Amino acid sequence: EAQVTQNPRYLITVTGKKLTVTCSQNMNHEYMSWYRQDPGLGLRQIYYSMNVEVTDKGDVPEGYKVSRKEKRNFPLILESPSPNQTSLYFCASSVTGAYEQFFGPGTRLTVL
Amino acid sequence: GNSVTQMEGPVTLSEEAFLTINCTYTATGYPSLFWYVQYPGEGLQLLLKATKADDKGSNKGFEATYRKETTSFHLEKGSVQVSDSAVYFCALTHGSGNTGKLIFGQGTTLQVKP
Repeated sequence: EAQVTQNPRYLITVTGKKLTVTCSQNMNHEYMSWYRQDPGLGLRQIYYSMNVEVTDKGDVPEGYKVSRKEKRNFPLILESPSPNQTSLYFCASSVTGAYEQFFGPGTRLTVL
Repeated sequence: GNSVTQMEGPVTLSEEAFLTINCTYTATGYPSLFWYVQYPGEGLQLLLKATKADDKGSNKGFEATYRKETTSFHLEKGSVQVSDSAVYFCALTHGSGNTGKLIFGQGTTLQVKP
């Protein structure tokens, strides 16, 4: 089954404790992206990747890092999480940036 | 800059009622337009899309027409069901120099009562 998977689905952590949210797709898509969803703001792009080893900032990249060492994986790294990063995070992938994006199920992160 | 504005919710309807969720956009160039749906506890799913002016996207009884003259992409359904209860997001991507970024509206919650 074609899908985008994320882990973990739920995470509660404390300020400053490094964490990684994994994202993997099995559709051989070149394009992958991370979004965060906050009430009243819709979804906003954090980072995106056009292909392996090619990443760039979206609208809200502060406090996040990403890497794209393999085509299928695009982890989101929070080196020192803060409470304002409490949010619902979605990973998405697409054939290229110009095509429809397929979303993962989301990761709900709470930073205390 | 580019933006999407949706009508505020929640929208509460009775089963079989007619649905309209308004969406207007501001964008340079020729964006593609999308409606995504988010069912409770799930990720976003593409509902329909339109890539050029006057295109009509349709799926599962939902329709939306790309109106460049009014910069709108309103979502409609003739007869809603309880199972349509979800959050609906209007979104666009830039037409040129595309980085793939989707720009979303704030979402509209639809509740359908039996």
